[in-house]
Amino acid sequence: DTAVSQTPKYLVTQMGNDKSIKCEQNLGHDTMYWYKQDSKKFLKIMFSYNNKELIINETVPNRFSPKSPDKAHLNLHINSLELGDSAVYFCASSQDYGGRIYGYTFGSGTRLTVV
Amino acid sequence: AQKVTQAQTEISVVEKEDVTLDCVYETRDTTYYLFWYKQPPSGELVFLIRRNSFDEQNEISGRYSWNFQKSTSSFNFTITASQVVDSAVYFCALSENFGNEKLTFGTGTRLTIIP
Repeated sequence: DTAVSQTPKYLVTQMGNDKSIKCEQNLGHDTMYWYKQDSKKFLKIMFSYNNKELIINETVPNRFSPKSPDKAHLNLHINSLELGDSAVYFCASSQDYGGRIYGYTFGSGTRLTVV
Repeated sequence: AQKVTQAQTEISVVEKEDVTLDCVYETRDTTYYLFWYKQPPSGELVFLIRRNSFDEQNEISGRYSWNFQKSTSSFNFTITASQVVDSAVYFCALSENFGNEKLTFGTGTRLTIIP
């Protein structure tokens, strides 16, 4: 009954590979996000989708491509992985009712290590 | 542009002491949301509180309390009678309203409770 679930939890891969992280939420929220937490614990938004439509893209390299097949899923594809992509990636979801935010829930994170 | 400052990088207190974590924010909007999240050593982000800019009432939840002061743009978090399980990194975050649900995080405060 996990609200926001991400897979895999850990991902170790070599430079140059392509990988995907999956995210699913069962809260019925309209908006989903990807955040990146670097080695210094700094959290920064990467993307957000509202009802499958991209609404935020925060100067992320185009090697990162989010895909939302439906409003309950937001996957993150990363091409040509680089050492600097090593981080923890968090998926989140929220619901907005008439401009008021209700709930903002994060998944448990995916620790990506590029070697 | 929105900004969140958590000036305390690390705090250590002895168990059962009270501790206050500071959060100062900047925003041009009159309507916004403030959040606190806890990140324990296991790595997940645990939602603690959401406060909108129109509600300046202080809130208490068990040993946790929050002091929101618009006059000083601060949203401080106090833990009373701290316990070892409170050891974690705590993040303050800000979201501006009206469709922009991006969370801007502070750099976090690492709290260590010494038994």
